[in-house]
Formats: sequence, C-alpha cells, structure tokens
Amino acid sequence: QVQLQASGPGLVKPSETLSLTCTVSGGSISNNYWSWIRQPPEKGLEWIGYIHYTGSTTNYNPSLKSRVTMSIDTSKNQFSLKLTSVTAADTAVYYCARLLEGQWLGSYYYHYMDVWGKGTTVIVSS
Amino acid sequence: DIVMTQSPLSLPVTPGEPASISCRSSQSLLHRSGYQYLDWYLQKPGQSPQVLIYMGSNRASGVPDRFSGSGSGTDFTLKISRVEAEDVGVYYCMQTLQTRSFGPGTKLEIK
Repeated sequence: QVQLQASGPGLVKPSETLSLTCTVSGGSISNNYWSWIRQPPEKGLEWIGYIHYTGSTTNYNPSLKSRVTMSIDTSKNQFSLKLTSVTAADTAVYYCARLLEGQWLGSYYYHYMDVWGKGTTVIVSS
Repeated sequence: DIVMTQSPLSLPVTPGEPASISCRSSQSLLHRSGYQYLDWYLQKPGQSPQVLIYMGSNRASGVPDRFSGSGSGTDFTLKISRVEAEDVGVYYCMQTLQTRSFGPGTKLEIK
C-alpha cells in the first residue's frame, strides 16, 4: 500500500525559499504523476501543481507558476517542491499526493489524486 | 481561469437523511473526449482529503455506494443517499479541465 510523507522545515523566513520533500513508500515513484496541494489555516484547498515521474512534464498553478519548481528523484523515491520569495500568505499545510491513472480515454488516462500524505505545516515568519 | 463555486457552504444533516451538494464552474467542464472533468474530495476533521468521485460520476475504489456524482457542463451534484456520522467533513469539488482548481468547500455536519 503506497504511503506518502511530506517533510521539510516548519519555519521559513519571508523572501526565502520553501523546500519540501515527499517520500513515497510501499511502491515505486516510477509511474504516475505526483502532486502538491496546500491549505492555509482555516481555509480551503489550493492546488500547486504536478510532475510526471520522468520529470519531463510539469503543470503549475498559474498564480504560483513564477515561484514554483517541482522535481523528482526516482533513486530516492522522492519528489520535491520549491517555492521562492515566500510571504506570510504561503503559510499553510502542504500535502503531497499521487495522481492515479483512472479511466482510459483512448489515447491517455484521466488522473485523479487517490493517495494523499498527512501534510506538513509550514509557517512563514521572521 | 476556471472559478468553482459550491452551495451550500454549510450543510446540517440528520443521520439517515439524504444530502446534496451543488458545484458550479465558470466554464463548461466537458472535455473533447466527451467526459466531464470534475472530481469530488472529502476532508474529514483532522485528516488529509480523500477522493470520492472522479470524472463527474465515477466512484473511486473503496468509496461507499451511498455517494454518487452527477452533472454536466457547468453544474454538478454530489449526493449522499443516507448520511452517516462518519460522513462529517468538508466536501470539495475540483475541476481538472484547465490545470486544477478547487471549490470553496461545503461543510457537512450532523444535526
């Protein structure tokens, strides 16, 4: 059974770079897409983006695109998120998730987030 | 950008009674493939979200059959045939047609 665990510094200073890693256990990262989602305190979910296991394809939230980079390390079964120039508005619980192949649509699969990690809290403060 | 809205934002329900949550998108979520690009997620208190429905009406593995999704274009509905205490939490719809974006969430509570 695949499990995901996000980890990283719980406190980041304003203007610095937030770096998180998601470790995949119980299965290989070398298939599917992998995603990051965040949830500010007492607010709803915000999709950040996803990356293909080859690292060749990424798709980011347009509102964060200029500050986001995702990468993947298949040798470590991990994928990562970097968010630059953070502000207090980036304070949130950050979740990682697997995008599972759902229905075959003839030339590609529809993907949905079927396994989520427990989330890691990041506070942006000086 | 596609904007998602949900109603109601708060939904008190008596156990055993049905519940319905509406989700609307600012643009049609009908993909050229003919499928609806919309998912439903439930975030139970203190937990990570979990998928309920994908592509508008496909129940994800392990999801009880009291949950059903329907709709097309810009109007979608999640229905719970008989609410149980364990269904408490915040329900989110999410469009997957253009990148991805969530609705604001509907908080279901037990009366």
